[in-house]
Amino acid sequence: NAGVTQTPKFQVLKTGQSMTLQCAQDMNHNSMYWYRQDPGMGLRLIYYSASEGTTDKGEVPNGYNVSRLNKREFSLRLESAAPSQTSVYFCASKQTSGNTIYFGEGSWLTVV
Amino acid sequence: QKEVEQDPGPLSVPEGAIVSLNCTYSNSAFQYFMWYRQYSRKGPELLMYTYSSGNKEDGRFTAQVDKSSKYISLFIRDSQPSDSATYLCAMSSNLNTGNQFYFGTGTSLTVIP
Repeated sequence: NAGVTQTPKFQVLKTGQSMTLQCAQDMNHNSMYWYRQDPGMGLRLIYYSASEGTTDKGEVPNGYNVSRLNKREFSLRLESAAPSQTSVYFCASKQTSGNTIYFGEGSWLTVV
Repeated sequence: QKEVEQDPGPLSVPEGAIVSLNCTYSNSAFQYFMWYRQYSRKGPELLMYTYSSGNKEDGRFTAQVDKSSKYISLFIRDSQPSDSATYLCAMSSNLNTGNQFYFGTGTSLTVIP
């Protein structure tokens, strides 16, 4: 079972460059999420999508954009990367009323 | 004040010890409580889920919720080196709303053989 798959696993960017993190889930979940995880800060929600065609801001949306391409895919874009966006990014999905959030393996992003 | 507070540790125990991990919270509307386990360089995975107050046991793991004190605990009996991971508590007031999961910062646990 693939579950939640995100790419790339590792990426180094220069300040000002742009990139897109890709995420796909094969569990037919309606809800999808992007989190970032930083030491001492825990998991913080960047954006989420409750269903195909809808997206909403989370706790830390500044500097990011998202696209819910279809029910399976939810991408996160950094338009102009900043060192403060150096972090580990997790994509996740959940059934609408489910109690379990399923996470991907993470994407390690360094902005220099 | 953060919604969820969790001691980051690190916690180091000998194999076979009983481990107690805890979180406190401030929002009395929380009624769904979860513990996630995160191995190094991996995503979190659900370990235990509890609805409202009370205890839930699953093998060597026991989750406790005390809503009156706004305090939840995870106990690990007969701890094993394979339990070495970061444990995150999470809680929610509404499972239908995507932005209503609140995570603790995680407690790092090492079980020494």
